[in-house]
Amino acid sequence: DIQMTQSPPSLSASVGDRVTITCQATQDINNYLNWYQQKPGKAPKLLIFDASTLETGVPSRFSGSGLGTHFSFTISSLQPEDFATYFCQQYHNLPPTFGPGTKVDVK
Amino acid sequence: ELQLVESGGGLVKPGGSLRLSCTASGFTFRNAWMNWVRQSPGKGLQWVGRIKSKTDGGTPDYAAPVKGRFTISRDDSKNMLHLQMNSLRAEDTAVYYCATERLLWFGLGAFDLWGQGTMVTVSS
Repeated sequence: DIQMTQSPPSLSASVGDRVTITCQATQDINNYLNWYQQKPGKAPKLLIFDASTLETGVPSRFSGSGLGTHFSFTISSLQPEDFATYFCQQYHNLPPTFGPGTKVDVK
Repeated sequence: ELQLVESGGGLVKPGGSLRLSCTASGFTFRNAWMNWVRQSPGKGLQWVGRIKSKTDGGTPDYAAPVKGRFTISRDDSKNMLHLQMNSLRAEDTAVYYCATERLLWFGLGAFDLWGQGTMVTVSS
């Protein structure tokens, strides 16, 4: 199975901050990577697919980049509703696998 | 409105069985590839398995930890997905989500619609 790692595991930030999360795969996954947002008690929500394509309806302050084994996810200006946990997920191989998550909380 | 609603979770003893269901609405269920994904505090998000649409063969795929114990099925006439879980273990304790899969690359893709989840607790 392809293992996904994320860093940092958590971060504290303020509204208006630029936030960047990284995700690494244990093998080349091309751009077959998705990003999800999850709020407490809720299901994950797809934000970005194909490493950099924004899901319909997702604000443009969210962005993703990367190819191969290294990927990043950025929130350009953190909003109050963005405090949540973010997961990456690869779909290069079965089984699809998720990163452990990065929790973004209030500084 | 696009919606998935899971049901059937609960407390079960180790070695026991449980059947989860997921009811879909707002989209053409028979065309969807349907997945189960679980989330436990110790293991984060873990893909459990999926079933393809009948037009694409209707076959299931399973994660190694559940293969041989769990069975995924679908009833397109009722817009329902099922997960039959047998020989349950403590490590199966998790919130179980059903999710649709948007195909992006050779039969794999993104989970673009999720249910609210149903909790399964395996404990004596």
